[in-house]
Amino acid sequence: ETGVTQTPRHLVMGMTNKKSLKCEQHLGHNAMYWYKQSAKKPLELMFVYNFKEQTENNSVPSRFSPECPNSSHLFLHLHTLQPEDSALYLCASSQERLAGGELFFGEGSRLTVL
Amino acid sequence: QKEVEQDPGPLSVPEGAIVSLNCTYSNSAFQYFMWYRQYSRKGPELLMYTYSSGNKEDGRFTAQVDKSSKYISLFIRDSQPSDSATYLCAMRDSGGSNYKLTFGKGTLLTVNP
Repeated sequence: ETGVTQTPRHLVMGMTNKKSLKCEQHLGHNAMYWYKQSAKKPLELMFVYNFKEQTENNSVPSRFSPECPNSSHLFLHLHTLQPEDSALYLCASSQERLAGGELFFGEGSRLTVL
Repeated sequence: QKEVEQDPGPLSVPEGAIVSLNCTYSNSAFQYFMWYRQYSRKGPELLMYTYSSGNKEDGRFTAQVDKSSKYISLFIRDSQPSDSATYLCAMRDSGGSNYKLTFGKGTLLTVNP
């Protein structure tokens, strides 16, 4: 496996379900991110972890709960979501402290909330 | 005024055309400017990266930054059907980390054979 891997690729859940999105990076990077991508909107940064420590929480509702057990794995736990939470959730990683350090994205998890 | 403005298109051109994609921004502190390409059902990937003003060329792609006008462009020469994708501009200031990237909405480009 190379790059950034996200599972599942597609997820359909009811508003009362609990599910989790998983991200794994094989690039040796120290920073990992969750972004939300909705139609006709810019990418929205949700959470940032740097060396496993959360360094950014961009006013995300508590029904989204991130977890970063180590610098290679990142989870997004979902519970009691709303239909407007339906979107593509992208995980990314980067090597911080390098000038212009590029973001490497996974293919995303397409979430549909019924 | 939004920090980064990008026309979402869609933009449809014939194969071989020169494509011009643009973003405007309001934050004069932005110093790093990037273009990401996102194919359907894929995540974005970095296409071009420019620091401060000027031009940068990579094959058929040219990125331009005009900081005085707060305007950045991506030109694609001899466009190919394989260039069909959504193009996202992104930028940040010199003091910030990568999580300070501000993205445009993306422009959907279709190159017709």
